[in-house]
Amino acid sequence: GAVVSQHPSWVICKSGTSVKIECRSLDFQATTMFWYRQFPKQSLMLMATSNEGSKATYEQGVEKDKFLINHASLTLSTLTVTSAHPEDSSFYICSARAADRYGYTFGSGTRLTVV
Amino acid sequence: AQSVTQPDIHITVSEGASLELRCNYSYGATPYLFWYVQSPGQGLQLLLKYFSGDTLVQGIKGFEAEFKRSQSSFNLRKPSVHWSDAAEYFCAVGAPGGGGNKLTFGTGTQLKVEL
Repeated sequence: GAVVSQHPSWVICKSGTSVKIECRSLDFQATTMFWYRQFPKQSLMLMATSNEGSKATYEQGVEKDKFLINHASLTLSTLTVTSAHPEDSSFYICSARAADRYGYTFGSGTRLTVV
Repeated sequence: AQSVTQPDIHITVSEGASLELRCNYSYGATPYLFWYVQSPGQGLQLLLKYFSGDTLVQGIKGFEAEFKRSQSSFNLRKPSVHWSDAAEYFCAVGAPGGGGNKLTFGTGTQLKVEL
């Protein structure tokens, strides 16, 4: 079945630094990838949608310059949290979808803690 | 715009008892409907999905859900709950059609299982 690998699983960084999170589709071509943010005990909030080779589409209220998304290949999308601050601490989850079927496969998530 | 409501934030059931988690959606036509389960610190696992056809959908781990158009509902059921079913459950709705259609998630229902 479709598998999405997300790395790292957890990361602790200092305030002001940047962190990159990778999302890879291992056995299918992900033409579309989605990035979500989840606060404790809350639902998933869609941050952006990225199509391979195109600029990401960000949801209202999400800072494009802070959350850089790159989807340069059909199997890899990255989310870079730039100049991270403690309020960016959260659980980030990616999901991927292939063009030839309507199904979403989720990564295992990344716990980001900014100190 | 599509939306999902999960009225129950928390549900506690005894092991072996039956379970029903409620989900109501708002969408102009028949949407694609999903149920996902999330264990703490993990990504989302698809339990089942409805696209069209038979309104009673069977999923993994003994779960099933029934699409009721008249009630705009897609409730998740399991006849006998196991302690390992304790987790967060999310209902989601997506728009039919191709492309990178995003999912909209409900706020989730936290399931606790009493032994």
